[in-house]
Amino acid sequence: EVQLVQSGGGLVQPGGSLRLSCAASGFTFSSYWMSWVRQAPGKGLEWVANIQQSGIVKYYVDSVKGRFTTSRDNAKKSLFLQLNSLRVEDTAVYFCARGGGSDSGLYFDYWGQGILVTVSS
Amino acid sequence: EIVMTQSPATLSVSPGERATLSCRASESVSSNLAWYQQKPGQAPRLLIFGASTRATGVPARFSGTGSGTEFTLTITSLQSEDFAVYYCQQYNLWYTFGQGTKLEIK
Repeated sequence: EVQLVQSGGGLVQPGGSLRLSCAASGFTFSSYWMSWVRQAPGKGLEWVANIQQSGIVKYYVDSVKGRFTTSRDNAKKSLFLQLNSLRVEDTAVYFCARGGGSDSGLYFDYWGQGILVTVSS
Repeated sequence: EIVMTQSPATLSVSPGERATLSCRASESVSSNLAWYQQKPGQAPRLLIFGASTRATGVPARFSGTGSGTEFTLTITSLQSEDFAVYYCQQYNLWYTFGQGTKLEIK
């Protein structure tokens, strides 16, 4: 059974940092793109970042470029999202997700349970 | 950015009836379109990818059609567990989601 279990998150002041983790099991983690998607309270879904199987190629939505960094440890079957210079508008539930499809485009076939990041003073 | 527009925002349907949800893209996304179901407090669940292919374990009452800019998700014989919010997502050029359609019990 594919499982993605998230940890990290919490309350942080504007300008602060946080690290999210996503532990994968039930599939060959190193064979899949992985992604982050967020959802602001009461709002819709927004793609945040993708990371290729090797961990070398990464893509980000413009609003987080230069502030967020995704990484992965294939040996530990784990995905990470480092959130720096956080803004109030980054407040959201962050989901990790497995990428289905191909290198040219992904849908998200399995999702973590989500973790809340609240940016507030 | 490709804008995805879903309609209606809210759809009220009785159990056992059919629901038809629409999704329009601001430019062609070919068949690179997915549908998700999200219930309160839960993560989204993939229903359809490639515009019409059901994901693993998705019941046959869910079907997707369309290509280019116009897409439809149809749910026949609605069950109580189908009342939720539904999102479409394009993955032809980067990744964008529609704003969602809330399917509620009539």
